[in-house]
Amino acid sequence: GENVEQHPSTLSVQEGDSAVIKCTYSDSASNYFPWYKQELGKRPQLIIDIRSNVGEKKDQRIAVTLNKTAKHFSLHITETQPEDSAVYFCAASMRPGGFKTIFGAGTRLFVKA
Amino acid sequence: DVKVTQSSRYLVKRTGEKVFLECVQDMDHENMFWYRQDPGLGLRLIYFSYDVKMKEKGDIPEGYSVSREKKERFSLILESASTNQTSMYLCASSLRTETNEKLFFGSGTQLSVL
Repeated sequence: GENVEQHPSTLSVQEGDSAVIKCTYSDSASNYFPWYKQELGKRPQLIIDIRSNVGEKKDQRIAVTLNKTAKHFSLHITETQPEDSAVYFCAASMRPGGFKTIFGAGTRLFVKA
Repeated sequence: DVKVTQSSRYLVKRTGEKVFLECVQDMDHENMFWYRQDPGLGLRLIYFSYDVKMKEKGDIPEGYSVSREKKERFSLILESASTNQTSMYLCASSLRTETNEKLFFGSGTQLSVL
């Protein structure tokens, strides 16, 4: 089955710096890669996603890149702010046909003011 | 907005007890999921359901069962709770379409088994 590895487990940056979180997946049939943000004590929420027919997607200060050959995908946050502090989860799934979304272990991001 | 409601925010149970965790969604989603969240392990899929009375095992189904008698409700059952089932349990739902894969999560149930 699919396995998703996520690095680093903890990331601390200064406000205004960039943060990068990297994930690898094992199943080459995976074609949908969402990222979820979970603030302390709250539920995970989707912040951005990318499909396998796209190499990069951007939404304001966040961007996601996908390298299908290497089975890598990454989340980039620019101009970090204290409210970006949270746990970020990458995930992989197959669409259509599959309903399983497999998550990475999470990255705890600290943005220091 | 979609609302996914889990019946309890905190639960404390004894070893060997039968435990029911309830989840209700109000947006007519076909797919429902149960994950457990443990530090350093991320979100691990226990069971999911893509229709009423249908269920599929996730990656860690041992010690759990589920029930989906109505479209809006998905229950997770611990037949005989054990201490290693102490965890945060998250329910989620999604539409079954070709393009909409977004998961909507509940607030979670922190279960402690003593």
